[in-house]
Amino acid sequence: DAKTTQPNSMESNEEEPVHLPCNHSTISGTDYIHWYRQLPSQGPEYVIHGLTSNVNNRMASLAIAEDRKSSTLILHRATLRDAAVYYCILNDMRFGAGTRLTVKP
Amino acid sequence: DGGITQSPKYLFRKEGQNVTLSCEQNLNHDAMYWYRQDPGQGLRLIYYSQIVNDFQKGDIAEGYSVSREKKESFPLTVTSAQKNPTAFYLCASSIASTDMYGYTFGSGTRLTVV
Repeated sequence: DAKTTQPNSMESNEEEPVHLPCNHSTISGTDYIHWYRQLPSQGPEYVIHGLTSNVNNRMASLAIAEDRKSSTLILHRATLRDAAVYYCILNDMRFGAGTRLTVKP
Repeated sequence: DGGITQSPKYLFRKEGQNVTLSCEQNLNHDAMYWYRQDPGQGLRLIYYSQIVNDFQKGDIAEGYSVSREKKESFPLTVTSAQKNPTAFYLCASSIASTDMYGYTFGSGTRLTVV
């Protein structure tokens, strides 16, 4: 079973920031936190990953709690193309059902 | 461009037949993985391989078999023993099984058994 828990779905308005939460209370000291997203009928696409410090890339930011038991993926300005299922996983590569993000125009 | 190629994109088979799904990567990645995805569900790990000529069962290996004779290739055979084979199958690879690296996924094969 996946060691992460995420809300089943979230909604956002276009051009507004989105904060996607993930809980991983049993995370080990060597676990990286990985985020992927998946469009319908496609393979998951890498978004971002981190270990302890917050991370930024061109797609998103990853905020990691100090105790590492939770993290938040931040999309700074949601676009319609960001509508997807977002997965938060740890090193064991076990995927849960993820969060389905809907972006409203 | 480097990447993972899964073929075919759609595959139809009759019940009781074995079928092999192809996965090829030119990323020089050591580790490769197979996942199954059912509608509205997350991905479930079938098999993975950390190195050539070695592979391990994932969470739902029953009814599936794999081989890893070459670094670039990790074919998955869905056997007649798999009770419910209709699903979306995804292949992935990573530089190594150590986990600080990201994973690259193929575009998937949708298998329908009739």
